[in-house]
Amino acid sequence: SAVISQKPSRDICQRGTSLTIQCQVDSQVTMMFWYRQQPGQSLTLIATANQGSEATYESGFVIDKFPISRPNLTFSTLTVSNMSPEDSSIYLCSASDRRIGSYNEQFFGPGTRLTVL
Amino acid sequence: KNEVEQSPQNLTAQEGEFITINCSYSVGISALHWLQQHPGGGIVSLFMLSSGKKKHGRLIATINIQEKHSSLHITASHPRDSAVYICAVNKNTGNQFYFGTGTSLTVIP
Repeated sequence: SAVISQKPSRDICQRGTSLTIQCQVDSQVTMMFWYRQQPGQSLTLIATANQGSEATYESGFVIDKFPISRPNLTFSTLTVSNMSPEDSSIYLCSASDRRIGSYNEQFFGPGTRLTVL
Repeated sequence: KNEVEQSPQNLTAQEGEFITINCSYSVGISALHWLQQHPGGGIVSLFMLSSGKKKHGRLIATINIQEKHSSLHITASHPRDSAVYICAVNKNTGNQFYFGTGTSLTVIP
């Protein structure tokens, strides 16, 4: 398994600003995922971030709004840019790699609760 | 229509009751997961299933591949079981998760 931490755990931000969320894994992992969970909803995949390649975004999410970095095998960041109240959500990262579990498993971080005023 | 459906959406039980949460899916899968999300937002994996039944403490998960259906059972429920329970599947095509809408469980002392 893997232990995943996220920073910050929560934040309250003003409209129009940007926030960068950090995700740290205690093991080297190939695949990292970023999810958004809007209030009362289930998780929606934003993008898949593999080290050494550009992030792959899901339909409805674009790099200009959610730029992602993946500088090494244990770390990734997600930036929420030019925020509006509609971006208020929990943002979660997860990791997957055969070295920490089976191909089908993902290990989740504790989430970042973002409120945009 | 969502490829993964859960029922019920909300569930309130008295402490000690036997609880069942259901998950149906409409795609071919390689695995099904039951996840638990506490109010703080963090998600814990409870089970990963590809066939049959698994048990961990008071939790039991079953899957019927032919019927494309899974159930999560909680025996002797306790207030600390209060959480959102999420069913997720891996499609045959990869390890991406597809999530159900979640079941919010409240266990009253």
